[in-house]
Amino acid sequence: DAGITQSPRYKITETGRQVTLMCHQTWSHSYMFWYRQDLGHGLRLIYYSAAADITDKGEVPDGYVVSRSKTENFPLTLESATRSQTSVYFCASAGEINQPQHFGDGTRLSIL
Amino acid sequence: AQSVAQPEDQVNVAEGNPLTVKCTYSVSGNPYLFWYVQYPNRGLQFLLKYITGDNLVKGSYGFEAEFNKSQTSFHLKKPSALVSDSALYFCAVRDSSGGSYIPTFGRGTSLIVHP
Repeated sequence: DAGITQSPRYKITETGRQVTLMCHQTWSHSYMFWYRQDLGHGLRLIYYSAAADITDKGEVPDGYVVSRSKTENFPLTLESATRSQTSVYFCASAGEINQPQHFGDGTRLSIL
Repeated sequence: AQSVAQPEDQVNVAEGNPLTVKCTYSVSGNPYLFWYVQYPNRGLQFLLKYITGDNLVKGSYGFEAEFNKSQTSFHLKKPSALVSDSALYFCAVRDSSGGSYIPTFGRGTSLIVHP
């Protein structure tokens, strides 16, 4: 099915562990984004990408790493998880810069 | 620089009554404006957008929004609210004159429709 999918939907891990959140879209959209959503903060942009092999830092990139070797995939890695990274993470894609973003259903990440 | 404000954290309305969710923006050039809705445990879903043209934009689920350049507003409206409209609503803006393709999102407004 066409769309944007995130995996896993739920994840519990411990501080100091590395964890990777996956994002896959089937539209071949050029633009992809990672956000975190926290109560009181709305959506905050972590990283974004305009094409394969092109990534840029957003508002809150510290502690996160991304890669984009293929257009359809945009994984987000927490290299050494901290409790402050407990959040709901959303991936989004857009075909053109004036087009709306399409969001995945999120990954709820808890770091103990 | 671009910015967007949603002045109300929560809006309460009775079912069948008209609803308005407010959004104001600030840009240097022309704005590209978007409304999204988020239901519990789901991602944001696109409702409608204004790029150019008619100031009244119609979108999904009976929603519409009016672009007002002089008041720099893009309020979301619906003539008759449904309980199922209860959700979190986000306004977003992108400045056409900026070099960035990144939109700025508002903090969100929780809409509660009472039966």
